[in-house]
Amino acid sequence: NAGVTQTPKFRVLKTGQSMTLLCAQDMNHEYMYWYRQDPGMGLRLIHYSVGEGTTAKGEVPDGYNVSRLKKQNFLLGLESAAPSQTSVYFCASRSSGQGMYEQYFGPGTRLTVT
Amino acid sequence: AQSVTQLGSHVSVSEGALVLLRCNYSSSVPPYLFWYVQYPNQGLQLLLKYTTGATLVKGINGFEAEFKKSETSFHLTKPSAHMSDAAEYFCAVSDSGNTPLVFGKGTRLSVIA
Repeated sequence: NAGVTQTPKFRVLKTGQSMTLLCAQDMNHEYMYWYRQDPGMGLRLIHYSVGEGTTAKGEVPDGYNVSRLKKQNFLLGLESAAPSQTSVYFCASRSSGQGMYEQYFGPGTRLTVT
Repeated sequence: AQSVTQLGSHVSVSEGALVLLRCNYSSSVPPYLFWYVQYPNQGLQLLLKYTTGATLVKGINGFEAEFKKSETSFHLTKPSAHMSDAAEYFCAVSDSGNTPLVFGKGTRLSVIA
């Protein structure tokens, strides 16, 4: 099993450009999450999904959109990138099974917006 | 609303010394509690978790944590630090199995030879 994978690993954007980050998991997990990590801020939840076709806002959703068209994939979109979106983005997934509450994380995508 | 406070953004210990990383949480219901570790340029890896049952939980790499409801704490300990323990550690809480985790701001552990 590859677990949770993220594409790309690194990206540099100019202000105003758009891009999509892809998260894929091969564990048949129902729940998927997108976080951003900034120095001294911990991980902050952007959006999440509790199943195929569903999405919900997290703590810091502004400037981002998401889609979950397939159970194994969770896409994070930036329509018009801003320097404030420079960050490391992590995707995570977890099972919906009783007691299976831990989240499994991908390796991250480092995004720089100039 | 849930929240997590990790006391100390940076902790430094000598190799072989006790590691103690502090985590306090707020939750209106019995919480589910987690510790994750992040090595440089990597994702987060689960160290240990508390959901129900025994309040002292053991994790990987010799770490353990104790859930103390009266103190709303879930401190992480390891009897003897190793150089390979140098990393960032995150405490996280969820107030039910279905709500997303809320993370603390993290504590960076340095181990001095």
